[in-house]
Amino acid sequence: KAGVTQTPRYLIKTRGQQVTLSCSPISGHRSVSWYQQTPGQGLQFLFEYFSETQRNKGNFPGRFSGRQFSNSRSEMNVSTLELGDSALYLCASSAFEGDEQYFGPGTRLTVT
Amino acid sequence: GNSVTQMEGPVTLSEEAFLTINCTYTATGYPSLFWYVQYPGEGLQLLLKATKADDKGSNKGFEATYRKETTSFHLEKGSVQVSDSAVYFCALHHSGSARQLTFGSGTQLTVLP
Repeated sequence: KAGVTQTPRYLIKTRGQQVTLSCSPISGHRSVSWYQQTPGQGLQFLFEYFSETQRNKGNFPGRFSGRQFSNSRSEMNVSTLELGDSALYLCASSAFEGDEQYFGPGTRLTVT
Repeated sequence: GNSVTQMEGPVTLSEEAFLTINCTYTATGYPSLFWYVQYPGEGLQLLLKATKADDKGSNKGFEATYRKETTSFHLEKGSVQVSDSAVYFCALHHSGSARQLTFGSGTQLTVLP
């Protein structure tokens, strides 16, 4: 099976812009979670989607949003970008059964 | 709330040395515990997991035992290789929190030839 894929791998944006990141889960996986990784804060949970519904949300401002499509692919959007949003954004998928999460390679976002 | 405390790094070892990376957790009930590894420029790879007390997870020579009495899940390997150089993350998943993982801060391991 193909792994979790994320596009794009690298992105450079300027403050105030918005960005959309995409994640395609492992075939058959219906749950997609997003995490932000920074040197200062480490790995922090953003949100989780299952069957197109957001099931859980981390402690991030409303500028961070996401959605999931009927084919389980997910997107996350960050509006009004700030310098502090520079991070590696990781997507993970898991099957309905069990709780193992499988991560994609991440999207490196740089905000200038 | 849930939290994971990991041994501060970085850790530098010679090839074939014994590795221990300490991990302790705080959570109610019986969370599942994981070790993930991150190589430079890549995402996280699941290394091993344990879902209940006294379970031992193992993979690629790495082992960790779920110790409920000490709330610990220390990672060990008997003989490290240069290719084991990476960042290691301990994580927990609480059954009541959907698919949210709580991670430790990560431990950078460098193995010298």
